[in-house]
Amino acid sequence: GAVVSQHPSWVICKSGTSVKIECRSLDFQATTMFWYRQFPKQSLMLMATSNEGSKATYEQGVEKDKFLINHASLTLSTLTVTSAHPEDSSFYICSAREVWGLAGRKSYEQYFGPGTRLTVT
Amino acid sequence: QKEVEQNSGPLSVPEGAIASLNCTYSDRGSQSFFWYRQYSGKSPELIMFIYSNGDKEDGRFTAQLNKASQYVSLLIRDSQPSDSATYLCAATGSARQLTFGSGTQLTVLP
Repeated sequence: GAVVSQHPSWVICKSGTSVKIECRSLDFQATTMFWYRQFPKQSLMLMATSNEGSKATYEQGVEKDKFLINHASLTLSTLTVTSAHPEDSSFYICSAREVWGLAGRKSYEQYFGPGTRLTVT
Repeated sequence: QKEVEQNSGPLSVPEGAIASLNCTYSDRGSQSFFWYRQYSGKSPELIMFIYSNGDKEDGRFTAQLNKASQYVSLLIRDSQPSDSATYLCAATGSARQLTFGSGTQLTVLP
């Protein structure tokens, strides 16, 4: 399957600082990437959909000014957690969508990066 | 009502048995269905996808899709302790966006 990388794999930062997480599709181009957050023993929660060359679409309840998303190329999306606080500590996972096939018979498969564990102290 | 529903489990099966994981979906426009495996502390890993009614086999895994009944299932034959994980069912709706179930926790007992 397709490979998605994420960097860093873990980060510890102080309250009030900003953290940037990178997500890359390594062997395919992804016009659409997704950012999820997962708290321990809970389900994946979609935060936003990142579209190359346009503004991200945020899910209800997710602050777009706090979670800045940039999808500057077909293989890279970044999530910046601004002015992080301890309650932002979580497992952040990106996902990239691979599209293949002909018009009218396209298939969409979504592959996940390894995740970034953020701890805010 | 959640769009994709799974029994949260936990589901326990003995080693060597068949594990059966089930999922129902509410959007009749869903076209593609996926099973992901997530180990504790790790991100989800795509293990199977199915687009057409019927069965699709890949090694010890078989995905089954019944669009009329709006359910999709995953069978794991010869279950191993290493199969112990949370299994996430997902469906792609008309918006091409994946909707995940809450996952079923599977434990394979040695």
